Amino acid sequence: DAGVTQSPTHLIKTRGQQVTLRCSPISGHKSVSWYQQVLGQGPQFIFQYYEKEERGRGNFPDRFSARQFPNYSSELNVNALLLGDSALYLCASTPNVAAMDQPQHFGDGTRLSIL
Amino acid sequence: GENVEQHPSTLSVQEGDSAVIKCTYSDSASNYFPWYKQELGKGPQLIIDIRSNVGEKKDQRIAVTLNKTAKHFSLHITETQPEDSAVYFCAAHTDKLIFGTGTRLQVFP
Repeated sequence: DAGVTQSPTHLIKTRGQQVTLRCSPISGHKSVSWYQQVLGQGPQFIFQYYEKEERGRGNFPDRFSARQFPNYSSELNVNALLLGDSALYLCASTPNVAAMDQPQHFGDGTRLSIL
Repeated sequence: GENVEQHPSTLSVQEGDSAVIKCTYSDSASNYFPWYKQELGKGPQLIIDIRSNVGEKKDQRIAVTLNKTAKHFSLHITETQPEDSAVYFCAAHTDKLIFGTGTRLQVFP
């Protein structure tokens, strides 16, 4: 079975631009979470979606938004990009539960570089 | 807010030796503690987890211990192999997962 897939794998943008990152969860998984991992740090929680509804939000500005589609795939959108948004963006999925105290299956991420 | 501290930041061991990584969490309501291994260019991979109603869990060469009173939990890897070389992250869950800052483990042949 395919794991969590993310696209694109790498992306280069300039300050002020907007970006959309995509994630497909493991087949049958209904919950998707997004994380930001800055170089040398652990992943930091951004959003969780379950059954197309936002179930959790981390301490990120309103420039960050996300949504989940009927097929449970998800998009993360970041507006007005700043240099500090340069990071690895990770998507994780869990099965049929909303709670996050379950094993999270991560994709390999999208490496976003802001020039 | 919830905080997870992880030590050491780097750890070098000889093949066959044991490695121990320690984490401390701040929120006593934390109830789930996973450990992840991240190899270069890859996403984190769950290697073992433990819940707050259990004190110890073992899976082959990997074990995790939890001390709820002290709010400490630790990862133990025995008989280390070069393929164990990676960055390891601990995490603690209350309403979301909070990750530690990572430990870079190097196992020398």
